[in-house]
Amino acid sequence: GENVEQHPSTLSVQEGDSAVIKCTYSDSASNYFPWYKQELGKGPQLIIDIRSNVGEKKDQRIAVTLNKTAKHFSLHITETQPEDSAVYFCAASMKRGETQGGSEKLVFGKGTKLTVNP
Amino acid sequence: DSGVTQTPKHLITATGQRVTLRCSPRSGDLSVYWYQQSLDQGLQFLIQYYNGEERAKGNILERFSAQQFPDLHSELNLSSLELGDSALYFCASSVGAQGTYEQYFGPGTRLTVT
Repeated sequence: GENVEQHPSTLSVQEGDSAVIKCTYSDSASNYFPWYKQELGKGPQLIIDIRSNVGEKKDQRIAVTLNKTAKHFSLHITETQPEDSAVYFCAASMKRGETQGGSEKLVFGKGTKLTVNP
Repeated sequence: DSGVTQTPKHLITATGQRVTLRCSPRSGDLSVYWYQQSLDQGLQFLIQYYNGEERAKGNILERFSAQQFPDLHSELNLSSLELGDSALYFCASSVGAQGTYEQYFGPGTRLTVT
């Protein structure tokens, strides 16, 4: 079925260490994979995304890698800082059923609570 | 700031009541999505509108409805409220109709049903 599994559910690291969050998806036709950061009391913020024609994308201290064969993608944060503490969500685009015109939708993982300890 | 605005920020109401949540998309975006976020359920997609028309439905209860107006703002109506409807409600917008377009989220409305 339509599923995005996200691990771990909680992650605690020391400031300066790296953090890695992994997601797997079920639909081999998925071709868009965004990551969102949600700070307490705020809405999810799009921080990086990747499309299926690339395997890796970097933006300063964050990077996302995609393995389409294995149907998994990961978020890497290097040199973590206390302000990186938040809940991170991955998502994958998936086709809706025929009753909804076969259009694309985003399916979200359940989130990872990242804590960066000073 | 994503450019998506939502009002009100907080809403406290009693069971059985009806409330309306409002969302204004980013300038130029034609799609509006509504999501419900509760502690144990993550982000649950409710409904999508594109350029005034309903585009897709997710796990939206029959007591809930939405619409998108000609100026592209959207309202989510929640009626016969139950305690379990207490949650954060987010709207997001994107330029296109498909899920492969970037979605930008608003700050949310926290609904508390007592």
